[in-house]
Amino acid sequence: AQRVTQPEKLLSVFKGAPVELKCNYSYSGSPELFWYVQYSRQRLQLLLRHISRESIKGFTADLNKGETSFHLKKPFAQEEDSAMYYCALTLTQGGSEKLVFGKGTKLTVNP
Amino acid sequence: DAGVTQSPTHLIKTRGQHVTLRCSPISGHKSVSWYQQVLGQGPQFIFQYYEKEERGRGNFPDRFSARQFPNYSSELNVNALLLGDSALYLCASSLFLLNYGYTFGSGTRLTVV
Repeated sequence: AQRVTQPEKLLSVFKGAPVELKCNYSYSGSPELFWYVQYSRQRLQLLLRHISRESIKGFTADLNKGETSFHLKKPFAQEEDSAMYYCALTLTQGGSEKLVFGKGTKLTVNP
Repeated sequence: DAGVTQSPTHLIKTRGQHVTLRCSPISGHKSVSWYQQVLGQGPQFIFQYYEKEERGRGNFPDRFSARQFPNYSSELNVNALLLGDSALYLCASSLFLLNYGYTFGSGTRLTVV
């Protein structure tokens, strides 16, 4: 079954420290993977997608098919990075498409 | 552009009642999806609609139904509410059916008492 696992429910780092939010997936095929972020009192929004190989707000994520991982990284965390982060993959079946989300990791960046 | 708008933002219902949640997609977006987010969990897929037709359904009971209107807005209906239906219901719209660009609304917080 397709599944996304985020092993850390909570992650706390100090400002300026590196941060890595872990994401592992189970998917039979070539996955399309995403990171979504939800800042306090804001709506869920797309942070980055692996197919774009982009860096958004200093965050990057590399798809490792051998380890079935898509960890989110930032070399120097900022207080404004504090938010809830969700890893998700796209599942396409019979002409429909849905996102399968992990349970999320709450990142707190302390001053 | 107003983005994806959902109404109401909050509501409280009693067990056994029925509820209708509404979603207006971004102008020009033809696909609307519904997700349920229970406290402490990631969003879980309920339905996807495109061009007024149901294109995908998640693992939810038949008490859950939805539809999409000619203007691409959508309604999610839940009958015979249970306490376990208490959750944040999210609507997401995208330009096409198979598309990697989903925009989420702020959600409707449903509390069943």
